[in-house]
Amino acid sequence: QQQVKQSPQSLIVQKGGISIINCAYENTAFDYFPWYQQFPGKGPALLIAIRPDVSEKKEGRFTISFNKSAKQFSLHIMDSQPGDSATYFCAAKKTGTASKLTFGTGTRLQVTL
Amino acid sequence: DTAVSQTPKYLVTQMGNDKSIKCEQNLGHDTMYWYKQDSKKFLKIMFSYNNKELIINETVPNRFSPKSPDKAHLNLHINSLELGDSAVYFCASSQDARSDTQYFGPGTRLTVL
Repeated sequence: QQQVKQSPQSLIVQKGGISIINCAYENTAFDYFPWYQQFPGKGPALLIAIRPDVSEKKEGRFTISFNKSAKQFSLHIMDSQPGDSATYFCAAKKTGTASKLTFGTGTRLQVTL
Repeated sequence: DTAVSQTPKYLVTQMGNDKSIKCEQNLGHDTMYWYKQDSKKFLKIMFSYNNKELIINETVPNRFSPKSPDKAHLNLHINSLELGDSAVYFCASSQDARSDTQYFGPGTRLTVL
């Protein structure tokens, strides 16, 4: 069963636009929600992460919005740039030893000129 | 000065062969992981070692055997390769088994013919 559902599968945004990727989780024990960015031929790299004690976290052009009651969180990329074109993965994890990251299915973002 | 490195980057082999993928991290981390990314880009954890001790073992065929000679290395040996083993395999590491942030290697693309 897919514990973290991610949408959309792919996204095309014009340069300067806002990219929005959504994730929903099922396990209420999850308490750490990162977003990873993966460029073609490279490994995923941590972009930004949030814990449930805050509803929003912003780092530069990247913002995570978190809705604990709805068990949803989303990534917003403001002023999207062609260099942001990559695959984005949301993930979830519960704090503790030997706790694993459960990834969403990924969103392929293309930012056009 | 690569943080997490894997060799080889590409591996093409015939069905039934045995192959190994090597992973090394120079971050001084205690915990290392193997992930499989399938053709649809879905990332799933396979194994995790903490200080050479196996702590996560997902439902993986026993043809896959991880080996950790020391905490900086985690190798993956695959016996009797099958077509369905074709994927990109990522090694990752984290400070310790409770750490949330994982650092991924560049991946090894395995193609079984």
